[in-house]
Amino acid sequence: NAGVTQTPKFRILKIGQSMTLQCAQDMNHNYMYWYRQDPGMGLKLIYYSVGAGITDKGEVPNGYNVSRSTTEDFPLRLELAAPSQTSVYFCASSPVGAEAFFGQGTRLTVV
Amino acid sequence: QQQVKQSPQSLIVQKGGISIINCAYENTAFDYFPWYQQFPGKGPALLIAIRPDVSEKKEGRFTISFNKSAKQFSLHIMDSQPGDSATYFCAASTTNDYKLSFGAGTTVTVRA
Repeated sequence: NAGVTQTPKFRILKIGQSMTLQCAQDMNHNYMYWYRQDPGMGLKLIYYSVGAGITDKGEVPNGYNVSRSTTEDFPLRLELAAPSQTSVYFCASSPVGAEAFFGQGTRLTVV
Repeated sequence: QQQVKQSPQSLIVQKGGISIINCAYENTAFDYFPWYQQFPGKGPALLIAIRPDVSEKKEGRFTISFNKSAKQFSLHIMDSQPGDSATYFCAASTTNDYKLSFGAGTTVTVRA
């Protein structure tokens, strides 16, 4: 049972480039989330989804986009990478009313 | 604006000692309070969680104390072990959407 799988694990982007962070879960969870973790700041919610076709903004959505076409996948898109987006990104999923399971994270550096 | 404030930022405890981490929240709509444990290079993992209908919850060596009137909750790690060395995050959400607001984290180091 893989749980929540994030790819890639590491990535270096140049300013202005775009990329998609992939997230897949095999637990049939309805809820999925994207967080970013910056040193000394805890995790902040970027976007979340309560089911296929439904997404909503979190606390820090600017510069990001998401889609949820299937229950399993919840990709995060960065269109014009900026140094402020250097962070560790975590995807999580949860069944309704229960704990969130986190992936291993993607460490992104924008130079 | 940090919705959940966590302290201390770091602590060092001897093996067998007690680690105490405190959190305070502002949003009275929060009704789910989990604690997550994170090891370097890994994602956070749920350690223990509490809902405001109880004042304390214990699982093994880990205890959450909850004070609804003060809007505070804390994690106590009893008989701390070197394997407990990690970063601990408190969090809060409503049970409507489970969008977690995290504290800034506490790095716990247990010395053998």
